Amino acid sequence: AQSVAQPEDQVNVAEGNPLTVKCTYSVSGNPYLFWYVQYPNRGLQFLLKYITGDNLVKGSYGFEAEFNKSQTSFHLKKPSALVSDSALYFCAVRDPVLGSNYQLIWGAGTKLIIKP
Amino acid sequence: DTGVSQDPRHKITKRGQNVTFRCDPISEHNRLYWYRQTLGQGPEFLTYFQNEAQLEKSRLLSDRFSAERPKGSFSTLEIQRTEQGDSAMYLCASSRTSSEQYFGPGTRLTVT
Repeated sequence: AQSVAQPEDQVNVAEGNPLTVKCTYSVSGNPYLFWYVQYPNRGLQFLLKYITGDNLVKGSYGFEAEFNKSQTSFHLKKPSALVSDSALYFCAVRDPVLGSNYQLIWGAGTKLIIKP
Repeated sequence: DTGVSQDPRHKITKRGQNVTFRCDPISEHNRLYWYRQTLGQGPEFLTYFQNEAQLEKSRLLSDRFSAERPKGSFSTLEIQRTEQGDSAMYLCASSRTSSEQYFGPGTRLTVT
C-alpha cells in the first residue's frame, strides 16, 4: 500500500542549530517526493521536490532534502535554523506506478519549533 | 500577485445552508485540485480537473459536494446542506504539469 510517514509530531531545535524533519514512504515504483511548509492560517507552500537525478535536492529558504532509496526516506534538512522556520511541514509522495498521475499521498505533518 | 487565489477566506454558515467557494488558479496552469484539511492533519484529496474536465472525485466526497470548472479557468466548490462535520479548511491548488502543486491560502469553513 502507498503511504507516507512523518514519525515525529513535533521537532524542537535551537536557533542556529541544524534541523532535520523525517519522512519515510512506501510506494511500488520510483517515487516523486515533495516537501511543503504551512504557516499558521496559510495555504501550503512548495519547498522542494525529488523526481530523478542527484539524491540531494535544494529548495527554498535554504532547505534541502536527501533521497535515500535503500532506506525509503526523504528527510528535510537545514544547516542553521531560524526562528522564522517555525511552521508545519508536510511530506508528500506520488507513486508513478500504482498511483494516479496527479494525486499526492500526504504525511500527517511535523510541527517545527525553533527556539531563540 | 499571480498565485492561486481563493474566495472567501472565511465562511461561517448555519447547518443546512449551502455554501460555494471559488478558486482562481495560476493562469497558465491547466490542472486544478481541491483538498480539505482539518486541524493537525495533512490535506485530503477531494477532486481534480484537467482543463474543464473533472477527471477524479474522491470516494470520500459525498453527493452533497460538487465542483465545476466551466471554462477551464476558475473553479467553484459547492457544499449543499452543510453539516458540522464539513467544518474544515478547503484548499485549492493548481499545476502546469503532474509535478509540484501550488496552493492558495484556503477557505476556512465553520458550520454552526
